Amino acid sequence: NAGVTQTPKFQVLKTGQSMTLQCAQDMNHEYMSWYRQDPGMGLRLIHYSVGAGITDQGEVPNGYNVSRSTTEDFPLRLLSAAPSQTSVYFCASNQGGTNNEQFFGPGTRLTVL
Amino acid sequence: KNEVEQSPQNLTAQEGEFITINCSYSVGISALHWLQQHPGGGIVSLFMLSSGKKKHGRLIATINIQEKHSSLHITASHPRDSAVYICAASVGGGNQFYFGTGTSLTVIP
Repeated sequence: NAGVTQTPKFQVLKTGQSMTLQCAQDMNHEYMSWYRQDPGMGLRLIHYSVGAGITDQGEVPNGYNVSRSTTEDFPLRLLSAAPSQTSVYFCASNQGGTNNEQFFGPGTRLTVL
Repeated sequence: KNEVEQSPQNLTAQEGEFITINCSYSVGISALHWLQQHPGGGIVSLFMLSSGKKKHGRLIATINIQEKHSSLHITASHPRDSAVYICAASVGGGNQFYFGTGTSLTVIP
């Protein structure tokens, strides 16, 4: 199993550009999430999904969109990048229920100039 | 208001020392998670526990549900243990997690 994969690992954008961060998991997990990690702050939830076709907002959703057309994939779209979105982004999945151990992807380091 | 608080924020230890990282939480949890993140690296789950104690090699995690407190212990610390350790509380059985800000551990040879 590859676990949770993310692409790209690094990305530099100019203000106003759009892009999609890819996330996929091969563990048949129902729950998937996107977090951002900033210095001095805990992981903050951007959007999450409890199954294919179902998504919801987390703590910091503004400027981001998600979709979940399949169980495996959960892409995160930046609509119009801003410097405040410079961060490290992690995708995670878990199977939910009593065993909700989180599996994290390797992260995407994004810089917005 | 932080639902999960960790201490210390930073910790430097000599190789071989016994290390303790503490986590307090204010929410009703279904499980308490300890995560490890090496510099520039991904995040790995070390432990998930809802009661008592768990041990993997030199790492031990304990939880006191009544006091809403958990500890991560590292015995015979080694430079490869240098990482950020993150405490997270999961609420309910799904996707709601509260994360601490992490404890940065440096183990000096």
